[in-house]
Amino acid sequence: QVQLVESGGGLVKPGGSLRLSCAASGFTFSDYYMSWIRQAPGKGLEWISYISSTSGYTNYTDSAKGRFTISRDNAKNSLYLQMNSLRAEDTAVYYCARDLSPVTTGVFDYWGQGTLVTVSS
Amino acid sequence: EVVLTQSPATLSLSPGERATLSCRASQSVSNYLAWYQQKPGQAPRLLIYDASNRATGIPARFSGSGSGTDFTLTISSLEPEDFAVYYCQQRSNWRLTFGGGTKVEIK
Repeated sequence: QVQLVESGGGLVKPGGSLRLSCAASGFTFSDYYMSWIRQAPGKGLEWISYISSTSGYTNYTDSAKGRFTISRDNAKNSLYLQMNSLRAEDTAVYYCARDLSPVTTGVFDYWGQGTLVTVSS
Repeated sequence: EVVLTQSPATLSLSPGERATLSCRASQSVSNYLAWYQQKPGQAPRLLIYDASNRATGIPARFSGSGSGTDFTLTISSLEPEDFAVYYCQQRSNWRLTFGGGTKVEIK
């Protein structure tokens, strides 16, 4: 069965860095676009970034551009999000999510359980 | 950026009643609209994609309609497990955006 397991969250000071990981299993990881989506406490969902199946294409929301970097290692079935220059407003649960199919991108049928990132001094 | 506005913010209904949730886009998203359900402490669950296609395993009481800028999610007869928050999301361009959510609560 498809599983996505995030890790790497925690408490970090403003201006600090954190690297999130997402371990995928149960499907051919290298066939699918993957995304990071976050949810601030008590708030709605915000798409952050996507990466194509071969890492050839990436995209970011404006608030992440220049500070966050998405990457993947298909040999390790893993997705990453390097977050630098963190701000209080980056505090959220971060989910990794899989596209519905290799040809239906931007719709997410599997989500991890999320990892909490707290940015506070 | 496409802004998605969901209404109402909260819907108070009883089990067995029909729920009608609205999602309006600030510009046309064609039929590239999805709906998700989220319960407290859980990740979102895909219900509907491309406006009207039910995802695998989603009960037939959930249906989606609309195109362009106006979309509707209908739950024909609410079951106890349907009380949750529902989000719409567009994929018409790669600045993916979500609506603010509609909470369906027990009356």
